[in-house]
Amino acid sequence: AQTVTQSQPEMSVQEAETVTLSCTYDTSESNYYLFWYKQPPSRQMILVIRQEAYKQQNATENRFSVNFQKAAKSFSLKISDSQLGDTAMYFCAFMKQITGNQFYFGTGTSLTVIP
Amino acid sequence: DTEVTQTPKHLVMGMTNKKSLKCEQHMGHRAMYWYKQKAKKPPELMFVYSYEKLSINESVPSRFSPECPNSSLLNLHLHALQPEDSALYLCASSPRIAGGLSTDTQYFGPGTRLTVL
Repeated sequence: AQTVTQSQPEMSVQEAETVTLSCTYDTSESNYYLFWYKQPPSRQMILVIRQEAYKQQNATENRFSVNFQKAAKSFSLKISDSQLGDTAMYFCAFMKQITGNQFYFGTGTSLTVIP
Repeated sequence: DTEVTQTPKHLVMGMTNKKSLKCEQHMGHRAMYWYKQKAKKPPELMFVYSYEKLSINESVPSRFSPECPNSSLLNLHLHALQPEDSALYLCASSPRIAGGLSTDTQYFGPGTRLTVL
């Protein structure tokens, strides 16, 4: 079975600063996808960033980047130049590449950006 | 068009009512999902439809009945719900790679906030 752990239930960061959200996972699979989703108070889940396990290069999307350590099974999200609109619940998710469509979600990290 | 739409946004129903939630996508995705989400918790998978066929049912009670009339539309029929079924119900879709391989990113709708009295 796959498990995803987010060990930081709540975090806060000053506007314009950088914050890192941690995620670890446990799997015996060698091919898989990892995702970070953001869910603002408006409640829609929005894809932030995605990483294919076979790619060694860390994914980046504007102010969002990941530190993917496959051997350590770690997938942290770095948010640079934090903005008030980044305030949200952040979920890390794992999906096997072969068969099935099931996401395994972590328990989430509630991030608050302080003006 | 990268949008998944859900109606209604809010729904209040009694335990004896019958209601339906609707989800629609026009991205040509062939996998669609229903999730249930309680406050401050991750989404819990309920059902997966792949090519309009039910492929995963996560032991959901029969008072929830999914339906996929076509590749763009997914319904969730509700009957005799309990107050503990009150939650945010999220729909998602994802593209399907030919040959049945896994479908990568899921795109979520805004959800339906359900309250059962």
